[in-house]
Amino acid sequence: GQQLNQSPQSMFIQEGEDVSMNCTSSSIFNTWLWYKQDPGEGPVLLIALYKAGELTSNGRLTAQFGITRKDSFLNISASIPSDVGIYFCAGSTGNQFYFGTGTSLTVIP
Amino acid sequence: EPEVTQTPSHQVTQMGQEVILRCVPISNHLYFYWYRQILGQKVEFLVSFYNNEISEKSEIFDDQFSVERPDGSNFTLKIRSTKLEDSAMYFCASSVHPRNTIYFGEGSWLTVV
Repeated sequence: GQQLNQSPQSMFIQEGEDVSMNCTSSSIFNTWLWYKQDPGEGPVLLIALYKAGELTSNGRLTAQFGITRKDSFLNISASIPSDVGIYFCAGSTGNQFYFGTGTSLTVIP
Repeated sequence: EPEVTQTPSHQVTQMGQEVILRCVPISNHLYFYWYRQILGQKVEFLVSFYNNEISEKSEIFDDQFSVERPDGSNFTLKIRSTKLEDSAMYFCASSVHPRNTIYFGEGSWLTVV
């Protein structure tokens, strides 16, 4: 299957700091999605991106669809303790979504 | 807000037994999926389903797996003869279109002993 490289693997940050994570692929994707997953629960959609170059915000979250269509970025501004969790990117070529390996975020109060 | 619902939330089964995981996708969605996540690992695609047939499947989805839409609302994943390595969280998902956002259920945690 497709390989999506997501980095960093884990982050430990102080409350109030900004966070950046990204996903890269060797293939071109038509859609990028970002999900957050809490332990024992299903992934919850954060942001969906459908066009190269698209920049979309959802509250303190901002994500961008890379211009090459092979990458995407997620930024979280002014982190709070409830941002803790695992963040997954997912890219689609049109038939299915491939998931990244996840970024585990820990926010220290 | 409409959501994907899955049952059971947790099932423990003996190796070799058959298991059926059930899902009710969002009502106006046309594309249905099963994904699995082994503890601590990433979400992996199993199968997509559209118009009452499988549209794509991964190498994980071998002959032991099957999917069915027995009526207008349910979508099921059957594992014919479970193995220890089938222990994972299984997520059902649905979307309006394969390029559109897919929405996940809460998952069914399967433990094979």
